[in-house]
Amino acid sequence: GAVVSQHPSRVICKSGTSVKIECRSLDFQATTMFWYRQFPKQSLMLMATSNEGSKATYEQGVEKDKFLINHASLTLSTLTVTSAHPEDSSFYICSAPVGVNQPQHFGDGTRLSIL
Amino acid sequence: QQQVKQSPQSLIVQKGGISIINCAYENTAFDYFPWYQQFPGKGPALLIAIRPDVSEKKEGRFTISFNKSAKQFSLHIMDSQPGDSATYFCAAGWSGTYKYIFGTGTRLKVLA
Repeated sequence: GAVVSQHPSRVICKSGTSVKIECRSLDFQATTMFWYRQFPKQSLMLMATSNEGSKATYEQGVEKDKFLINHASLTLSTLTVTSAHPEDSSFYICSAPVGVNQPQHFGDGTRLSIL
Repeated sequence: QQQVKQSPQSLIVQKGGISIINCAYENTAFDYFPWYQQFPGKGPALLIAIRPDVSEKKEGRFTISFNKSAKQFSLHIMDSQPGDSATYFCAAGWSGTYKYIFGTGTRLKVLA
């Protein structure tokens, strides 16, 4: 079945560091990918829609300069958390639809901890 | 209007019992309703999904019931097993955009 791979699975770093998270579609092409943020015991909150070859679309309240998204190929989207601070600590998950009118498949998430 | 309300927040069921989770939505533009299962430290995995032109869909022990007029849909897990213990999220989406709005989640625990 369709697989979405996310890397790294866990990151621990100091405040002020920029962290890059990769999301890859392994056996299908994805012109669109989605980035979510999930706090402990809470639901998934959509942060942005990543569009291959064009700018990402951010949800209301999400800082574009804080969360940089690049979708340079049909199988890779990256999320960079710039100058991360402890309040950015969270579980970040990406997803991609397999095709037209097909469900989204999710990666296994990245646990980001900022000290 | 974009919210998806999910209940209960947590659920404890005996092994072999039926687990029922309910969701309600407001936006009639939604046309795709998936359910996801999430284990701790993992991303959500698609369990089953339904479109509004169908009132019920069954896959193995999992059944979605859909009530378009009431704008409600529910997940039934028959013969619940301890391995079903996880957090379940309903979602509503627009198939043309692929965007989903997720419910708040239900933590299910099935007792052995």
